[in-house]
Amino acid sequence: NAGVTQTPKFQVLKTGQSMTLQCAQDMNHEYMSWYRQDPGMGLRLIHYSVGAGITDQGEVPNGYNVSRSTTEDFPLRLLSAAPSQTSVYFCASSRARESPLHFGNGTRLTVT
Amino acid sequence: AQKITQTQPGMFVQEKEAVTLDCTYDTSDPSYGLFWYKQPSSGEMIFLIYQGSYDQQNATEGRYSLNFQKARKSANLVISASQLGDSAMYFCAMREGRPGGTSYGKLTFGQGTILTVHP
Repeated sequence: NAGVTQTPKFQVLKTGQSMTLQCAQDMNHEYMSWYRQDPGMGLRLIHYSVGAGITDQGEVPNGYNVSRSTTEDFPLRLLSAAPSQTSVYFCASSRARESPLHFGNGTRLTVT
Repeated sequence: AQKITQTQPGMFVQEKEAVTLDCTYDTSDPSYGLFWYKQPSSGEMIFLIYQGSYDQQNATEGRYSLNFQKARKSANLVISASQLGDSAMYFCAMREGRPGGTSYGKLTFGQGTILTVHP
């Protein structure tokens, strides 16, 4: 059982480049979300989804796009990378409200 | 306003002693859930314990217990008999809303507390 799989683990981008962080879960969870973790800021919600075809913005959505065409996949797109997007990104999923989030192992992104 | 506040940036505890990590929250929703996660230096996020707003008893999971004081809006994590492997960052988080609502998928995290266990 793979759980939540994030790729890549590490990525370096130049300012202005675009890329997609991949996230897949094999637990048939309805809820999926993307967070970024910065020192002293905890985890901040970027975008989330309550089911296939349904997405919504979190606390810090600017510069990121998401889509949820299947239950399993929830990719995060950086449209034009900026140094302020240097961070560790976590994808997470859960079955229901009382269920804990299952986190991927994170992607460490550096934008130069 | 901060929805989740962890006022202790760092805490120290002697091995085998108990330690309490503080968490206060702010919500007007009567239905919510509170979570604690552990993040060791390796970076993964590990779920520890959950408390629902309607739960009558404090949650416990092994050495972890949650001191839930609803009127004070606090949900402190108590770790008993600390071990060296407990050294990590600890996050408190809250999920608000009812099933079916679009906000239901959102989890708000505090800034975290770094716990160091001394031998």
